[in-house]
Amino acid sequence: NAGVTQTPKFQVLKTGQSMTLQCAQDMNHNSMYWYRQDPGMGLRLIYYSASEGTTDKGEVPNGYNVSRLNKREFSLRLESAAPSQTSVYFCASRTATVVSNEKLFFGSGTQLSVL
Amino acid sequence: SQELEQSPQSLIVQEGKNLTINCTSSKTLYGLYWYKQKYGEGLIFLMMLQKGGEEKSHEKITAKLDEKKQQSSLHITASQPSHAGIYLCAASSAGNNRKLIWGLGTSLAVNP
Repeated sequence: NAGVTQTPKFQVLKTGQSMTLQCAQDMNHNSMYWYRQDPGMGLRLIYYSASEGTTDKGEVPNGYNVSRLNKREFSLRLESAAPSQTSVYFCASRTATVVSNEKLFFGSGTQLSVL
Repeated sequence: SQELEQSPQSLIVQEGKNLTINCTSSKTLYGLYWYKQKYGEGLIFLMMLQKGGEEKSHEKITAKLDEKKQQSSLHITASQPSHAGIYLCAASSAGNNRKLIWGLGTSLAVNP
């Protein structure tokens, strides 16, 4: 059981380049999330998808777009990368069918550097 | 807005020692979660606390939520090198998980 799989694990971009971070979960979860983690800032929500076919902005959506391709996959796209987007990106998912079950499952992260 | 403060920021202990990490909120916590992050990896769920006075244990890790539901503590008994990592607390406001608020984490090193 792979859980949440993120690719790539590392990426270096030049300012202005574009790229897509891929995320897939095999747990039949309804909700999926993209976070970024920065020193001194903690985890911040970029975008989330409560269910297949829906996406919503989180705390820091500027400069990003997302696609919930199907129930399994949720991708994050940087159209024109900026140095401020240098960060570690995490994808997460949860069942969201039981109110008391708030457990999030995380991918292993993507370390992105924008030069 | 609600904020979570974790203390200490970092901790170095000798193997076998006990330790406690605290997570304090400026507002009442509707749900408090503890996660562990190993360096260079994703976060792993440890425990969730919802009721005032609640206490949960998993192996040598015990988490408590105080009666007023504004502070949680994570206690590790007889620490081992495998306990090393970053411990993060998170809280949901009004039970809405998608707007989880995260603490900055406590970095734990355990010296053999």
